[in-house]
Order: sequence, then structure tokens, then C-alpha cells
Amino acid sequence: LAKTTQPISMDSYEGQEVNITCSHNNIATNDYITWYQQFPSQGPRFIIQGYKTKVTNEVASLFIPADRKSSTLSLPRVSLSDTAVYYCLVSLTGTASKLTFGTGTRLQVTL
Amino acid sequence: ETGVTQTPRHLVMGMTNKKSLKCEQHLGHNAMYWYKQSAKKPLELMFVYSLEERVENNSVPSRFSPECPNSSHLFLHLHTLQPEDSALYLCASSSSARSNSPLHFGNGTRLTVT
Repeated sequence: LAKTTQPISMDSYEGQEVNITCSHNNIATNDYITWYQQFPSQGPRFIIQGYKTKVTNEVASLFIPADRKSSTLSLPRVSLSDTAVYYCLVSLTGTASKLTFGTGTRLQVTL
Repeated sequence: ETGVTQTPRHLVMGMTNKKSLKCEQHLGHNAMYWYKQSAKKPLELMFVYSLEERVENNSVPSRFSPECPNSSHLFLHLHTLQPEDSALYLCASSSSARSNSPLHFGNGTRLTVT
């Protein structure tokens, strides 16, 4: 299984850009990288998914270098409501059922 | 509204009780999952169903019994649980269990075993 490593926690002020980096050194050729957000007492929510280079949607951007051994989730201009746990996942080739959640990064946004 | 609905939201049961958790997805997906999230621990995958057939069972104790009568409904039957089984139980679905399709989660059932 492609194990991921993320910082345990991060702090930010409202309005700042937040970058959360995830390491996945043994990512396989066909694996995708997916990020989820989880608020307390709720299920994780899909944010963004990518394979290489850069992906952007209305919520975030995902940067993946050429070697794909890491990825960075970028949240522009965070607000208090972005306080949550963010999970980076790498799926085992062709088997979504093997998605392994790590401990995630707890982001705290303050005024 | 997440497209995946779980009931009940909260459940308190004794160790000798039998109860069931229910999950329903309205997304037309073919795969459904049960995850367990204990305090300060990562989400643990328990069961995976693809087109109503169980394709994954991650060494879960037999006191947890899943049932998938059709591709839209998933149950988790509980009996003779232990206090350490207290956790948030999350149901998820995806378009396929054999792709990189994202998981869509419900908001979970908070289970307390007394």
C-alpha cells in the first residue's frame, strides 16, 4: 500500500493561503492522489484529485511534481470555516477499496 | 445533503443488544463501504461491496455483520458489541470499487456501547 505522510497539524490566519504537503514515496504508476476534508462528527468530503502536474477547482489547487512522490494541497484565502482535518490518499492501483486514510492534517484557522 | 444518508445519527446500545445501522445512497453508485473511525485514530476500512457482492472484509470481528440487499442500500448488523466498539461508523459509496473514483461519505452513526 502506498503510505502517506502529512504534518499532524497546521495553524493559519484567516485570509492566508495554506499549503499542506503530503509525501507518498512508493506511489505506483497508476495511482491517483485524492484529498478529503473532514469536519467534526461528519464524514470526509472529497476536495480534489489529480495524477500529475496541477489540478484546480473552485475549492483548491493540487500540485504534483514530476516524480509524484509528494503532492501539495493549496487552499487560497482560508476562512474560519476551513478549520478541519485534511486527508491525503493514494489509491492502490485499480482498487479503490484499498484506499488507506492516514491521520490527516488538522488545520486551525483563526482571526 | 451528501447523497449518502445514514440512520440513526446516534445510537446507544448495551453489550447484549442487537441493532442495525442503515445506509442509503442516491448517487447511482455501484460500490458501498463501511468505515470505522475511533477517537484519535485513522479511518479503518471494514467492508466493501461491489454490485451487492462483498469484495473486501478487513478482518472485522463477526459481531459486525454487513448486508447489501441492492446497490443503493447497505446495513451493518451489530450484536454483542464491546465498549471498545464505540466509534463513528461511516458509510461511503463510489461509482466503482475498481477505479480511482472518489468516495462519497455519509455523516455517520455515532455509536456508544455501554
